[in-house]
Amino acid sequence: EDQVTQSPEALRLQEGESSSLNCSYTVSGLRGLFWYRQDPGKGPEFLFTLYSAGEEKEKERLKATLTKKESFLHITAPKPEDSATYLCAVPLNQAGTALIFGKGTTLSVSS
Amino acid sequence: DGGITQSPKYLFRKEGQNVTLSCEQNLNHDAMYWYRQDPGQGLRLIYYSQIVNDFQKGDIAEGYSVSREKKESFPLTVTSAQKNPTAFYLCASSLANGDIQYFGAGTRLSVL
Repeated sequence: EDQVTQSPEALRLQEGESSSLNCSYTVSGLRGLFWYRQDPGKGPEFLFTLYSAGEEKEKERLKATLTKKESFLHITAPKPEDSATYLCAVPLNQAGTALIFGKGTTLSVSS
Repeated sequence: DGGITQSPKYLFRKEGQNVTLSCEQNLNHDAMYWYRQDPGQGLRLIYYSQIVNDFQKGDIAEGYSVSREKKESFPLTVTSAQKNPTAFYLCASSLANGDIQYFGAGTRLSVL
């Protein structure tokens, strides 16, 4: 069964304390991996798409990387406004239509 | 502004009642999706549509129904058969299969 697992479930950081979030997947024939940010009570906001092992993408303090089995979202020198739930997702294997989501990592950054 | 509009933001359902959640997009996207989000559960797929007048069931379609009569609109009906409807419902759209999905702001449904 295709699965997406995120860890840790929750992460508390001090402002400026860098860390990484993990997303592992078991789908075969990966057709892209998506990272989203979700603030409480709002819809997910698209961050990155990665398509092949070794690929990296950056946006401000965030950098996403991809291997054959997992993806990391690195957060460098986070600020309180980076606090949110970060979701990763992969397309369904058969038709590549809808996404399978992990349960997310809730990040809290305190000043 | 282009985007996805979900309404209402909050909705209350009485026992035995059907309710309909609206989702409209002006992004000219072909594909649209409905997800359900429960605390600690992540997003789960209810229905999706790749083209007008066609849609497929997702993982948790029981107790829900949809229609896709126009490219811009993909309403979701929560029927009385859905015994645990309290959740946050998210609508999304994408240009085509496997493309980036963009989400609306969500509708929070509660049972009275």
